[in-house]
Amino acid sequence: NAGVTQTPKFRVLKTGQSMTLLCAQDMNHEYMYWYRQDPGMGLRLIHYSVGEGTTAKGEVPDGYNVSRLKKQNFLLGLESAAPSQTSVYFCASQGQGNSYEQYFGPGTRLTVT
Amino acid sequence: GENVEQHPSTLSVQEGDSAVIKCTYSDSASNYFPWYKQELGKRPQLIIDIRSNVGEKKDQRIAVTLNKTAKHFSLHITETQPEDSAVYFCAASKGSNYQLIWGAGTKLIIKP
Repeated sequence: NAGVTQTPKFRVLKTGQSMTLLCAQDMNHEYMYWYRQDPGMGLRLIHYSVGEGTTAKGEVPDGYNVSRLKKQNFLLGLESAAPSQTSVYFCASQGQGNSYEQYFGPGTRLTVT
Repeated sequence: GENVEQHPSTLSVQEGDSAVIKCTYSDSASNYFPWYKQELGKRPQLIIDIRSNVGEKKDQRIAVTLNKTAKHFSLHITETQPEDSAVYFCAASKGSNYQLIWGAGTKLIIKP
């Protein structure tokens, strides 16, 4: 099993450009999350999904949109990139049941100039 | 909403000594408290977690303690080794949607 994968690994955008980050998991997990990680600030939840076709806002949703059309994929979109969105983006997934462990992807380093 | 504070931001200990990292949370309804380890350039990985119906949990050299009255929980690492060098994050959550609120992280440095 590949676990949680993210594409791309790195990306440089100019202010105002748009892009989509793809997260895929092969563990049949119901829950999926998008975080951003900035130095000294830990992980902050952008959006999350509790199942196929559902999404919800997290702590810092402004400037981002998400879609979960298939259970295994969770897409994060930036409609008009801003320098403040320079960050490392992590996707995570979690199954139902007794374990609350979140499994993370390898991350995407995004720079907006 | 929930707020999680983590201290210290950097901790340097001699190899073989113990390390303790502390977190406090604000929402008394929080009931799940995991600790994640993130090595440089890698993804966070769960190392231990505790739920509010338990006061302490151990797994070999690591342990977590929870004080619900004071609303704080701590990570204890004994007999530290070079491979323990990493950033450690605490988090807290409540309810059925498993949203985690994260601390800012502690950089643990193990001195040889």
